[in-house]
Amino acid sequence: NAGVTQTPKFQVLKTGQSMTLQCAQDMNHNSMYWYRQDPGMGLRLIYYSASEGTTDKGEVPNGYNVSRLNKREFSLRLESAAPSQTSVYFCASALAGTTYEQYFGPGTRLTVT
Amino acid sequence: GIQVEQSPPDLILQEGANSTLRCNFSDSVNNLQWFHQNPWGQLINLFYIPSGTKQNGRLSATTVATERYSLLYISSSQTTDSGVYFCAVGMNSGYSTLTFGKGTMLLVSP
Repeated sequence: NAGVTQTPKFQVLKTGQSMTLQCAQDMNHNSMYWYRQDPGMGLRLIYYSASEGTTDKGEVPNGYNVSRLNKREFSLRLESAAPSQTSVYFCASALAGTTYEQYFGPGTRLTVT
Repeated sequence: GIQVEQSPPDLILQEGANSTLRCNFSDSVNNLQWFHQNPWGQLINLFYIPSGTKQNGRLSATTVATERYSLLYISSSQTTDSGVYFCAVGMNSGYSTLTFGKGTMLLVSP
């Protein structure tokens, strides 16, 4: 089992460019999440998908969109990148909602210049 | 929303020393997890412990849900224990996900 995988590992964008971060899990989990981590802080939720076919905003959704492509895959899109979106992005999954343990991917380090 | 406070914010230990990290939270939870973020940035699950006590090798954790706190014990620390330790809690209401504390940065020196 690979667990939760993310691509790419690193990315540099210019202001205004767009990109999609990919996430996949092979644990047959229903719930998937996107977080961002800024220096000296814990993780903050961007969007989540409680189950296939549903997505909801988290604490910091502005400037992002998501797609739950199927049960395994959950992508995060930046339509017009801004320097404030420079961060490390983590994808996570859980069997079903907050009662269950979350497992995290290795992260994507994004720099917007 | 729920507040999660971790203490101490920073901790420096000599190899072999013991330590206790604390996590206080402001509301009832149905999930509490401890993570270790290693120097390469990877988040490693240590414990899923919404209540009770668990042990895994040199690490153990206790959550007293009625008093809204959790403790992570590290015994006989090693340099590989260095990194940031996060507590994260989940509730039935709200964003249906985890709320993270700001972490405790631990440095274990040889």
